[in-house]
Amino acid sequence: EAGVAQSPRYKIIEKRQSVAFWCNPISGHATLYWYQQILGQGPKLLIQFQNNGVVDDSQLPKDRFSAERLKGVDSTLKIQPAKLEDSAVYLCATRGANTGELFFGEGSRLTVL
Amino acid sequence: GESVGLHLPTLSVQEGDNSIINCAYSNSASDYFIWYKQESGKGPQFIIDIRSNMDKRQGQRVTVLLNKTVKHLSLQIAATQPGDSAVYFCAETVSGSARQLTFGSGTQLTVLP
Repeated sequence: EAGVAQSPRYKIIEKRQSVAFWCNPISGHATLYWYQQILGQGPKLLIQFQNNGVVDDSQLPKDRFSAERLKGVDSTLKIQPAKLEDSAVYLCATRGANTGELFFGEGSRLTVL
Repeated sequence: GESVGLHLPTLSVQEGDNSIINCAYSNSASDYFIWYKQESGKGPQFIIDIRSNMDKRQGQRVTVLLNKTVKHLSLQIAATQPGDSAVYFCAETVSGSARQLTFGSGTQLTVLP
């Protein structure tokens, strides 16, 4: 079974630039999460989707972050404009209907200079 | 802020010894707990979970203990191997919260030859 795919794996940008990350979930997984993991910390939830609908985006900094999952499969997370403190690994995770287990992708590491 | 934390940020053990990684949680309503392993450059990987109606659960070489009285969770790894070197996170959630996990800050386990 293919895992959660994320791209790009690495991205370096200057502050105030924009960046987008892409996630392709495990086939059939309706629930998709984006987490932000700052170096030395545990992942923190940004947004949760159920199919193409947002379940919770209360922790998403909406002035600069946006995410979508238009067809209920792939998802994109965008940051515009980026700040230095956005440097982190952005993890996508998905979950099937009959399991509590989250499957994580390998993450996209963002460095903002 | 985080509601799940770890007692020790780093742990070094000799190969072959048993490892114990501890975790404290603060949300008394949490009823489902998961341990994740995260190797460098990879996303978190599910190790074992436990529900609040259990005190102990065993997997292959791993055991999770839950003490609800003091809100404490531990992960025991038997016969620790070099491949066990990683950061270990505990995560908690409340049933009905759409499986939104709150992660602790992690413990870096280093296995010495």
